[in-house]
Amino acid sequence: DAKTTQPPSMDCAEGRAANLPCNHSTISGNEYVYWYRQIHSQGPQYIIHGLKNNETNEMASLIITEDRKSSTLILPHATLRDTAVYYCIVRTGNQFYFGTGTSLTVIP
Amino acid sequence: ETGVTQTPRHLVMGMTNKKSLKCEQHLGHNAMYWYKQSAKKPLELMFVYSLEERVENNSVPSRFSPECPNSSHLFLHLHTLQPEDSALYLCASSQEGVSNYGYTFGSGTRLTVV
Repeated sequence: DAKTTQPPSMDCAEGRAANLPCNHSTISGNEYVYWYRQIHSQGPQYIIHGLKNNETNEMASLIITEDRKSSTLILPHATLRDTAVYYCIVRTGNQFYFGTGTSLTVIP
Repeated sequence: ETGVTQTPRHLVMGMTNKKSLKCEQHLGHNAMYWYKQSAKKPLELMFVYSLEERVENNSVPSRFSPECPNSSHLFLHLHTLQPEDSALYLCASSQEGVSNYGYTFGSGTRLTVV
């Protein structure tokens, strides 16, 4: 079962930063937080992952709270192509369990 | 391309047909997975293969039969399906034994049972 909770939907203006929150209050000390996104009817695409420290790559930044009970994915300059369902996942053993995710709509 | 290839991309089959979905990964991973995604539902983990052995079967009906002949190939054999089995079937691969290793997904097979 998914160990994360996310808001079902969010809007963001094109060019602005999109901040997607995720709660994972039952996360264990050695479990990583992963973010994926799924554009309609395609396979999920990896975005970023982290354990304790904040992470940044060419796609996004991941901010993890000090107690590790929540995190935020930041898309710094959202474009229309960022419209997708975003999944926050805590890896349990060797398996990923997906929740319902956040449907992000980027508005022109 | 992600390095995980699924064929066919689309499949329409009758309830009495037998068909197979194929997944191939070119990433050197040692674990492969089948997920099912029905309309407006989260992805459901169906089967897990690690080092070519099935290690997980999440109460999937026997009309779905997986096969993993080697670490690069994964099949899902379908027979006597029901209309409610219509869904997007996704294959993924990963490197097990590495705690921070993510999954790589294929583009999926859109299955319609008529």
